Amino acid sequence: DAKTTQPNSMESNEEEPVHLPCNHSTISGTDYIHWYRQLPSQGPEYVIHGLTSNVNNRMASLAIAEDRKSSTLILHRATLRDAAVYYCIPVLSGTYKYIFGTGTRLKVLA
Amino acid sequence: EAGVTQFPSHSVIEKGQTVTLRCDPISGHDNLYWYRRVMGKEIKFLLHFVKESKQDESGMPNNRFLAERTGGTYSTLKVQPAELEDSGVYFCASSQNAPLNSGANVLTFGAGSRLTVL
Repeated sequence: DAKTTQPNSMESNEEEPVHLPCNHSTISGTDYIHWYRQLPSQGPEYVIHGLTSNVNNRMASLAIAEDRKSSTLILHRATLRDAAVYYCIPVLSGTYKYIFGTGTRLKVLA
Repeated sequence: EAGVTQFPSHSVIEKGQTVTLRCDPISGHDNLYWYRRVMGKEIKFLLHFVKESKQDESGMPNNRFLAERTGGTYSTLKVQPAELEDSGVYFCASSQNAPLNSGANVLTFGAGSRLTVL
């Protein structure tokens, strides 16, 4: 399984963009990169996923480095509701196995 | 569409007792996963069902844990006998059977079942 490295915590001001980095240098060429987040007292929820190209959805954008060894989750305008732990998960090709790491705890300041 | 439902939401038992946690996945989802989060630790994978079959149970901690998925619908996770270290939050997730390597296998999680062993 590809190992991931994420900052333990980050802070952002409300209404400002947030860039959450993830290093996954051991990822293989066909492993998708998924991002999930866990809001307080809830189960994790899906945010976004991608393989090579940058991806956008209503929640966030995902920027994937050209060598795929890192990716960045971008929240364009952080809100208080975005305070959560964000997990970057490379999904091993040929499996449905999702391994959560330590994640990044995002604090949003009003 | 109804989400993933787990119950009980919280269970408090004494060491040595038995507890059964239940998960109802989203209808039509072939994949069902169990995870748990012990206090202060990471969310850890326990096992993965495809329909009624155990695809991967490499994360099950020991033989005190038994997971079943009758008829490929709901799943139960039984802990017998429970130990103090089993305390934590147990999450269930489900997903459609998207083609492997499509990246489209998105997990939907339940709210979790908090287990407290005294």
